[in-house]
Amino acid sequence: EDQVTQSPEALRLQEGESSSLNCSYTVSGLRGLFWYRQDPGKGPEFLFTLYSAGEEKEKERLKATLTKKESFLHITAPKPEDSATYLCAVPHSGGSNYKLTFGKGTLLTVNP
Amino acid sequence: DAGITQSPRHKVTETGTPVTLRCHQTENHRYMYWYRQDPGHGLRLIHYSYGVKDTDKGEVSDGYSVSRSKTEDFLLTLESATSSQTSVYFCAISEEGVEQFFGPGTRLTVL
Repeated sequence: EDQVTQSPEALRLQEGESSSLNCSYTVSGLRGLFWYRQDPGKGPEFLFTLYSAGEEKEKERLKATLTKKESFLHITAPKPEDSATYLCAVPHSGGSNYKLTFGKGTLLTVNP
Repeated sequence: DAGITQSPRHKVTETGTPVTLRCHQTENHRYMYWYRQDPGHGLRLIHYSYGVKDTDKGEVSDGYSVSRSKTEDFLLTLESATSSQTSVYFCAISEEGVEQFFGPGTRLTVL
């Protein structure tokens, strides 16, 4: 069974304090890993897609990396506006419709 | 929200009543999805569509039905709403079944 586990469940940082969020997965034949940001009361906002181990993607203070077992979302010098829930997802094993399995998310709070 | 609207945005209804949620897109994307999001469970796929009149079940499809008669519209129906269907419902679209883009959500309360 496909599983996506995110850790920690919640993370509180001071502004400027860099850290990383983890997304570990068990799926056969990974066909991509997706990161989303979700603000309270809103739909998830797409951030990155990673396809192969060693791949990295960057956007402002965020950098996503991928290994064969997990992905990390590194947050460098975060600001309060980076506070949100970060979700990762992987496509189901098999099939061609890209049904996604989501992790439960990491709630990031950045204090000024 | 990538040209996706959901209606209504909020709804309160009573147990046993039928409810229909609408997702409308202006992107002409082939794939459309309905998810529900609940504390402790995260986002779970209810149904999805890979073309007009082509739909399939997700992992939590019991009690829900869908229809897609036009590319731009995907309807989710709760035939007889139950309290366990109280949730936030998100629609998503995808051009080629890769990155999915989400709508703003509908908060449904079943009393």
